[in-house]
Amino acid sequence: DTAVSQTPKYLVTQMGNDKSIKCEQNLGHDTMYWYKQDSKKFLKIMFSYNNKELIINETVPNRFSPKSPDKAHLNLHINSLELGDSAVYFCASSPLGPLSGNTIYFGEGSWLTVV
Amino acid sequence: QQQVKQSPQSLIVQKGGIPIINCAYENTAFDYFPWYQQFPGKGPALLIAIRPDVSEKKEGRFTISFNKSAKQFSLHIMDSQPGDSATYFCAASITGSGGSNYKLTFGKGTLLTVNP
Repeated sequence: DTAVSQTPKYLVTQMGNDKSIKCEQNLGHDTMYWYKQDSKKFLKIMFSYNNKELIINETVPNRFSPKSPDKAHLNLHINSLELGDSAVYFCASSPLGPLSGNTIYFGEGSWLTVV
Repeated sequence: QQQVKQSPQSLIVQKGGIPIINCAYENTAFDYFPWYQQFPGKGPALLIAIRPDVSEKKEGRFTISFNKSAKQFSLHIMDSQPGDSATYFCAASITGSGGSNYKLTFGKGTLLTVNP
């Protein structure tokens, strides 16, 4: 059973297009995230949602719009794709709570290439 | 502003060696320090984590050493194996209620290669 699954795994698209990445977790976690990993492997948080509510928006351009229909899903829609958006996007989830230690479970990533 | 600084960027050791990866942090409010391991084509996975009330934590061949006064922590891999070859990330976060509970700040990663 895949704990955090995201689709598609690979995505090649042209500049200016709009694309979406879907994410689902079956861990029963309350919190979900999108992280971006650039070509130098630097991992940076983009968004965090808790029970469908946006908690963190880490100065991400408005072209990126997350949507959480329920606490098990967090999708990422990207408008007007730019070359610099090429990266690996990781969905992740974690249990809620101050003692949770923020153990974050990552999906396998979605490789986005903008040409 | 990079809140968690990790070094070295890459590391090559022979099988059986003890690679050491170091991290330093700036924010004294951080109170949870995990290490994540990432294999090519996969997402990062939690390896081991420590809180600042202890100076060392061991899990199998992996040990975290923590120096609160120096604001530094490190990962040691005993008897390293070729299967340990991966990218290792240190991270830090602030547990407790509020928005800060919801994110990890990662170091830039260390690519470890363990030669047979």
